[in-house]
Amino acid sequence: DIQMTQSPSSLSASVGDRVTITCQASQDISNYLNWYQQKPGKAPKLLIYDASNLETGVPSRFSGSGSGTDFTFTISSLQPEDIATYYCQQYDNLLITFGQGTRLEIK
Amino acid sequence: EVQLVESGGVVVQPGGSLRLSCAASGFTFDDYTMHWVRQAPGKGLEWVSLISWDGGSTYYADSVKGRFTISRDNSKNSLYLQMNSLRTEDTALYYCAKDNAPRHYDPHAFDIWGQGTMVTVSS
Repeated sequence: DIQMTQSPSSLSASVGDRVTITCQASQDISNYLNWYQQKPGKAPKLLIYDASNLETGVPSRFSGSGSGTDFTFTISSLQPEDIATYYCQQYDNLLITFGQGTRLEIK
Repeated sequence: EVQLVESGGVVVQPGGSLRLSCAASGFTFDDYTMHWVRQAPGKGLEWVSLISWDGGSTYYADSVKGRFTISRDNSKNSLYLQMNSLRTEDTALYYCAKDNAPRHYDPHAFDIWGQGTMVTVSS
């Protein structure tokens, strides 16, 4: 199986800060990487697909980059409503795997 | 409105069986691969299974292979997960999710999720 190592596991930042989360795959997955946001008690929401494509309706402060084994998810200016847990997910093969998640809190 | 609604989650004893259902609306159901994803209490997301748009291909996580069976009825816009030989570690909120790539056999991204149905395996 392809292992996804996401870091940090938790993060505290202030409103307006630039926030970065990384995800590393255990082998080359090209750009087959998605990012999700999950708020407490809610289902996950797709934010970024194919490593860098913004899902329709998602604010432009969210972005993604990377290819191969190293990927980055960025919030350019943190807003209070961005408090959530964020997950990366690979689909390079048919055994889909998620990162362990990053819990984002407001400082 | 595009919507997925899961049902069927209950408390069941170890070794028991259960069938989950997911009713889809607001999109052309038989154009899309569908998935089950689960989340144990306080834990992260775990992909469980997928079924292709035409029902011809199915895949499973190693943790459920041989015990769970995914199926769909395109005439009823419905997705199912038959769960047998349940274990305490199967306790989780089970989500159905829609793939975002029409008429593809390979998975892509999960763009629509249901609200989840809770399965508790306990004696």
